[in-house]
Amino acid sequence: GDSVTQMEGPVTLSEEAFLTINCTYTATGYPSLFWYVQYPGEGLQLLLKATKADDKGSNKGFEATYRKETTSFHLEKGSVQVSDSAVYFCALRSGNTPLVFGKGTRLSVIA
Amino acid sequence: EAGVVQSPRYKIIEKKQPVAFWCNPISGHNTLYWYLQNLGQGPELLIRYENEEAVDDSQLPKDRFSAERLKGVDSTLKIQPAELGDSAVYLCASSLGPSAHEQFFGPGTRLTVL
Repeated sequence: GDSVTQMEGPVTLSEEAFLTINCTYTATGYPSLFWYVQYPGEGLQLLLKATKADDKGSNKGFEATYRKETTSFHLEKGSVQVSDSAVYFCALRSGNTPLVFGKGTRLSVIA
Repeated sequence: EAGVVQSPRYKIIEKKQPVAFWCNPISGHNTLYWYLQNLGQGPELLIRYENEEAVDDSQLPKDRFSAERLKGVDSTLKIQPAELGDSAVYLCASSLGPSAHEQFFGPGTRLTVL
């Protein structure tokens, strides 16, 4: 079945550092890809999405590009802030099937 | 506009006791989801509703778990009896429809079974 593998955390960065969280997937067909973020004490929120190959999703300075050839959807941000500390989940969905999530990567940004 | 509301936020019970979680989705969202999130894992779907109909409950352990969405709005998830392994966060989410890309999540109910 479909699956998502993302890099294990925790990831600890200094403020203004560059962030990459790797995500690769296995799916039949052509899924839509998502990054969700969970801030402390809050529910998951959609951060960005891409629905077809070569699409780039972006939001709040975060970006991820749907790479069909490498089955990847890595999350990047050029300069992280303390307020970006959260757990980040990569997910995919094929058609109307349920969202399939990775295990999550905890990011801590220190001032 | 209010987001997805869940209650309680935290629940501690002893094993073999029953427990219930409540969810009120965003107004107008016909699709409602219940997810289970174990520690250090991503959410996994338990059941999906389209209005009042459960259309995907293949991952719901039906021997002890039950859910309902009688009027197609709010929903209740029940566990009876609870086991130690049920300790987890139970998330509710809603979306405009089954093919909508964005699901909106509630804050979850953290269940601890002693």
